Amino acid sequence: GAVVSQHPSWVICKSGTSVKIECRSLDFQATTMFWYRQFPKQSLMLMATSNEGSKATYEQGVEKDKFLINHASLTLSTLTVTSAHPEDSSFYICSASEVRLNQPQHFGDGTRLSIL
Amino acid sequence: AQSVTQPDIHITVSEGASLELRCNYSYGATPYLFWYVQSPGQGLQLLLKYFSGDTLVQGIKGFEAEFKRSQSSFNLRKPSVHWSDAAEYFCAVGHKVGGGADGLTFGKGTHLIIQP
Repeated sequence: GAVVSQHPSWVICKSGTSVKIECRSLDFQATTMFWYRQFPKQSLMLMATSNEGSKATYEQGVEKDKFLINHASLTLSTLTVTSAHPEDSSFYICSASEVRLNQPQHFGDGTRLSIL
Repeated sequence: AQSVTQPDIHITVSEGASLELRCNYSYGATPYLFWYVQSPGQGLQLLLKYFSGDTLVQGIKGFEAEFKRSQSSFNLRKPSVHWSDAAEYFCAVGHKVGGGADGLTFGKGTHLIIQP
């Protein structure tokens, strides 16, 4: 149980385009989902917290207009990288927490984004 | 602010030998502690978690970790490693889980190499 699906797993696109990444909790409901960014051989850095039905909370230094987050249902959150540039290339990972108390975060398999 | 330190960037262990990965945290309240494992290009898999109660927690794949409040540590151990354990290991701290959960703060990770 507690599977988080992330799609796509890899995307390559031209500079200036927008890319949408989906994060789904397959077998549980998640009121809260998280988006992390991981640079090569480095740790995960929290970008934003996505709450179902409300605006996302962004960490300091993360541009909310660059990284649009929508959490429209209890099983789906999306991250849209707008007008992507090569410096946005990274590994993006989402996670989700079950509604029940004291449940750990479950992570998706990540999306490798390469901007040419 | 909370922080996590994993002092060892790389560790090399012979197959069949015991393993201990170190993790120290800084947190003002009772922490929720986690160990995750990441294979190359993959998401994170939860090995084990500590919320409260018994300070020695058992996880998957034969791993265990001990929470020592006096040392602010949560070291991961395994009595006998297998070649398939080679991966990146992340220690993480968070507070509130479940509804209204906060994102995790990760250590920089320890890269485990298994020698035949």
